[in-house]
Amino acid sequence: AQSVTQLGSHVSVSEGALVLLRCNYSSSVPPYLFWYVQYPNQGLQLLLKYTSAATLVKGINGFEAEFKKSETSFHLTKPSAHMSDAAEYFCAVRGGGTASKLTFGTGTRLQVTL
Amino acid sequence: NAGVTQTPKFRVLKTGQSMTLLCAQDMNHEYMYWYRQDPGMGLRLIHYSVGEGTTAKGEVPDGYNVSRLKKQNFLLGLESAAPSQTSVYFCASSFGSSQAFFGQGTRLTVV
Repeated sequence: AQSVTQLGSHVSVSEGALVLLRCNYSSSVPPYLFWYVQYPNQGLQLLLKYTSAATLVKGINGFEAEFKKSETSFHLTKPSAHMSDAAEYFCAVRGGGTASKLTFGTGTRLQVTL
Repeated sequence: NAGVTQTPKFRVLKTGQSMTLLCAQDMNHEYMYWYRQDPGMGLRLIHYSVGEGTTAKGEVPDGYNVSRLKKQNFLLGLESAAPSQTSVYFCASSFGSSQAFFGQGTRLTVV
């Protein structure tokens, strides 16, 4: 079984401040982990993915995430928030194998204020 | 390259009516998925398919059926729509364990 927990359904930061969105996972096999972003009335777009290579993963738009096995975490960060980062962010885990289900967290809505 | 295309984009149904949502992908992906998105609940997997002619239940399959007769298409059917099925439905596809590509969603309202 696999699951994802995203702490904080809403996060508000000032423009230029650090963005930290939290994700903890549970998986019985080595996981593949993903962060997706969803802008209003749109589908989901991949930000970055971890597939057992480097533990620090860099994605698009200046985002990065670090895989920490000991903490079962995959938190998303960005050093300096921009107004255009306002969106909903989803963490997802794939447990591997042929029945490769992709399980999502409940999402975190990021608000960026001036 | 269209990616993943969902049809229709919007639909209003009356309780008890049936409908089929179509998902088409042009990336030759083996895996396809149907999710529903509800406020505060993230995306929940309804059904998925790991290849042509195969389907499997996800987390919330009740009230839905699916078919994968062609590799590029994955159909989601609602046999007798209920207000609880009001949601935004997303189709996705992937090649093996790689990232999933999503369609733009179908907003369904059941009245």
